[in-house]
This record gives sequence, structure tokens and C-alpha cells, in this order.
Amino acid sequence: DTEVTQTPKHLVMGMTNKKSLKCEQHMGHRAMYWYKQKAKKPPELMFVYSYEKLSINESVPSRFSPECPNSSLLNLHLHALQPEDSALYLCASSQDGRAPLHFGNGTRLTVT
Amino acid sequence: GQQLNQSPQSMFIQEGEDVSMNCTSSSIFNTWLWYKQDPGEGPVLLIALYKAGELTSNGRLTAQFGITRKDSFLNISASIPSDVGIYFCAGSNFGNEKLTFGTGTRLTIIP
Repeated sequence: DTEVTQTPKHLVMGMTNKKSLKCEQHMGHRAMYWYKQKAKKPPELMFVYSYEKLSINESVPSRFSPECPNSSLLNLHLHALQPEDSALYLCASSQDGRAPLHFGNGTRLTVT
Repeated sequence: GQQLNQSPQSMFIQEGEDVSMNCTSSSIFNTWLWYKQDPGEGPVLLIALYKAGELTSNGRLTAQFGITRKDSFLNISASIPSDVGIYFCAGSNFGNEKLTFGTGTRLTIIP
């Protein structure tokens, strides 16, 4: 079982909807990550939070808005997404911002 | 973004065979990682390597950190059906929060 928990497992949303993805870890890790993965491709980094502060934004469109309420929680707020945003969204954590990263099982997002 | 060159892209083997795959980079990494991903799930960490030349085993899996720090190898001995999946290598450097992923090797076991 993964120690990084993501909800929901699946999400279908329209282009005008607002939804949120949630991630939780209780390993005491101080860095948390959002990755996007398209089919048959490796994960692509979106955001990194280190000690609850946003440290990396990989030029992600503003329709994706991350939030780190505390060191155990990470959210990704979604608004006005496009069909091409459909993908597996993975959350990960690491002890202090260095490898290895531990991944959750992802949220499979479909934008209609 | 940058990707590591991982080969082979796919492998079709029979149960019981040994498997070898590798990952190469044009730049140096201080840490090499190997992950396995099953359909619909997240990548699971298999082995982490922190020192050039290091050889580390995890059950039937053995990985090596290349001496040049620009490559890494993963071997699986006596493959079993649950070994099916996509294997990703990843590299990182100290003080850098980013992982650079390989392009993946898809392993299929032929009945």
C-alpha cells in the first residue's frame, strides 16, 4: 500500500467546472509534488512545495492552482480545464526535497 | 523538459528469463532511482542508488550506479508474471528538487 493517499481516484469534469484533487502523506515528509502523466509517457513535474512554500512552478497554466494547507496535505485546484488536460495526476512526497520521491496512486482526470 | 534515454523501449520475454535494461544521460547525476509502474497506479520505488559504482539488490532486482555517473542499469532475474509493467529510471542531483525521468521500458511476459 502506498503511503501517499490521493483522492478521488477518478474524476470526470466539464470545462466549466471547478474541482480539487487532494493528497495526504503521514511520513513526516517536508516536500510535496504534483506531476502530470500522459499515457505511455513518464511523469512531468508541475509544482513542488518545500516546507509548505511553493518552490517550483514549471510554467503551469493558471487554470491549475496548487495549495499546501500544512506539511501533510497538498491540493490541486482545477478550473476551466481543457480536454488536453486529461491525464493521470500524481502526488509525491520526499523527506526534505531530495530523492527518493514516494508517489501516490494518482487521480485519473477526464475533461469533457 | 530533459529526459533520460532508456532502453530497450519494450521487452517481450518468457517467464523465468532474466531481464536487463539501462538508462543513459548526457549529464551527471548524484542519485539514480528505479521505479515500476503498473496500469492505473503510481510509480513504486524499487531501488535508490547514491554512489558511483554502487551495486544494490532488492530481492530478484539488482541495479548499478554507473562509474561515470551518467548511466544506470537494472537487472531482474528469473522473471515472474507480476514483473509485468513499465520501469522508469530517474536521476537527480543534491540540492535540486527535480527528478529527471527516463522514457520507460515496458516489460511484457509471453505465456
